[in-house]
Amino acid sequence: DIQMTQSPSAMSASVGDRVTITCRASQGISSNLAWFQQKPGKVPKRLIYSASTLESGVPSRFSGSGSGTEFTLTISSLQPEDFATYYCLQHDTFPLTFGGGTNVEIK
Amino acid sequence: EVQLVESGGGLVKPGGSLRLSCATSGFTFSGAWMSWVRQAPGKGLEWVGQIKSKSGGGTPVYAAAVKGRFTISRDDSKDTLYLQMNSLKTEDTALYYCTTGNGGGWGQGTVVTVSS
Repeated sequence: DIQMTQSPSAMSASVGDRVTITCRASQGISSNLAWFQQKPGKVPKRLIYSASTLESGVPSRFSGSGSGTEFTLTISSLQPEDFATYYCLQHDTFPLTFGGGTNVEIK
Repeated sequence: EVQLVESGGGLVKPGGSLRLSCATSGFTFSGAWMSWVRQAPGKGLEWVGQIKSKSGGGTPVYAAAVKGRFTISRDDSKDTLYLQMNSLKTEDTALYYCTTGNGGGWGQGTVVTVSS
């Protein structure tokens, strides 16, 4: 199975900060990676698919990059509504696997 | 608008069975690959399994943790996805979501609690 190692597992940041979250795959997954945002008590929402394609309606401050084994989700200027937990998902090879999540908290 | 509505969750004893349903609308269900994802209380997301469209072979695939106990099926005439869960364990306690493909659309989830 492909392991997805997400880092950091938690972080504190301030409004306006640039935030970077990383997912590392245990083997190459091309660009078959998605990023999700989940707020407490809410359903996860896909932000990015194919590593770098923004879902319709997602603010442009979110961006994704990478291919192969190393991927990043960047929030260029953190907004109050962005405090949430973020997950990556590799959908290259079955079984699909999620990263462990990154909890972005208010500093 | 894509809509996914799960049902069938509840409290069941270890070793018991439960069948979850996911009624869908707003997209061509018969052509969609569909997934189940779960989230244990206070934990992260865990992929449970996926079923291809009939034209894609209709084959379900599963996570190791549920393989042999869970069965994913679909009824394209009813635009509905199912998850048959047998031999349930306490560690299967979670909120179960159905999703389109690789997570483009999600239902609100249904809670499964396995406890004696």
